[in-house]
This record gives sequence, structure tokens and C-alpha cells, in this order.
Amino acid sequence: ETGVTQTPRHLVMGMTNKKSLKCEQHLGHNAMYWYKQSAKKPLELMFVYSLEERVENNSVPSRFSPECPNSSHLFLHLHTLQPEDSALYLCASSPQGALGKLFFGSGTQLSVL
Amino acid sequence: GESVGLHLPTLSVQEGDNSIINCAYSNSASDYFIWYKQESGKGPQFIIDIRSNMDKRQGQRVTVLLNKTVKHLSLQIAATQPGDSAVYFCAENIPYNNNDMRFGAGTRLTVKP
Repeated sequence: ETGVTQTPRHLVMGMTNKKSLKCEQHLGHNAMYWYKQSAKKPLELMFVYSLEERVENNSVPSRFSPECPNSSHLFLHLHTLQPEDSALYLCASSPQGALGKLFFGSGTQLSVL
Repeated sequence: GESVGLHLPTLSVQEGDNSIINCAYSNSASDYFIWYKQESGKGPQFIIDIRSNMDKRQGQRVTVLLNKTVKHLSLQIAATQPGDSAVYFCAENIPYNNNDMRFGAGTRLTVKP
């Protein structure tokens, strides 16, 4: 158990659906991240929040919308996704100043039909 | 090596043997490196890190070697056990790119009993 919990573990959605992924960390970390892991590419950074403020958006399409209401919770809102968005979505957190040392959740396996 | 499509580089070893997993990184300015282990159904887990001012660092049963001349990183696992079977990723920190960690494609290690 890494202290980073993601729900749901699996999600199947149609292209017209709206759904949200949730991430929660109980480690007292100040930074939270969304990564995408697909079969054909290395881990891709999507968003970074530091102290609840978005500090990075890596050219992610607007059909992905992150939300960080507090330092323990992170959401990824999904709408009108495409089949190529099917992937494992990983949330991670890190302590402020602990550069790069990420604590990952187990991910949400997303399938877009 | 790099992955192509669904095919990760693979390494198969006998239980009790030593394993060496290699990684070529891309940027001579990278100053910090991490090895992660990802077991099936889980997110990546931190194993060991090394800064660019070092060329070797040892942990429990693991050693990371850094050769900055050829931009090469390796992870050595001593007395490999079945529980070591996983995908191993190296990650490099790019200091001028918001200190993002860039992940390699990964190597799948299979330990035969």
C-alpha cells in the first residue's frame, strides 16, 4: 500500500459519457500528478498540481479536466473521450522538495468504447 | 533499449542469479535518476535513486550504476527472486523542463523458479 488510492480501478465508458477519476493521498504530500500509461508509449505526464495550484499542463486535450480541491484529493474529469484515450491513468504524489520521488496509486484502467 | 509498440525489452533469469537491467537516457543535462518497479496491477514503486555527482549507489540487493560519458544507467539485482518479476523503468530528471521526470519504456524481468 503506497498511501495513494485511486478509484475506480476499472472504468468502461462510451464516447459520449462523462465520468471522473478520483485520487486520494494520505501521505501529507504537497504535489499531485496525473500520468497516462498506454501500451505503446512510456509514462506520459499530464498534469501537475503543487499546493493545489496547477503548475503544468502537458498539452493535454481539453476533454481531460483536472481538479485539485485540496492537497489530499485530485480528480480527473473525462468527457467525450476517444477510443485512443483507453489507457491506465495513474495518480502520484510527492513531498515538496523531494524532486521526482513519486508515490503512485494503482491506477484506473480506462476503456473507451 | 526502447520499446516498439506492445513489445517491451525482456530479461529472463533463473531464480538466484543476478540481473542487470539497462537504460539509455537522453539528456546530458539530466542530474537525477530513479529506478521504478511496476508489478502487474500496480503503479510504479520507487526502488533506488542516484544523483549525477555519483556513479554508483547501493541499496538492499540492488545497485544502480551511472555512466554519464555514454548516458547509461543500469540496475543490478542480486540473487533475483520470483517477487522481482515486474517491469522496471528508469526515469531522468530534466532540470530545465520544470524538473519533470522523463520515463523510459521499461524492461520486463521474468524470474524462472
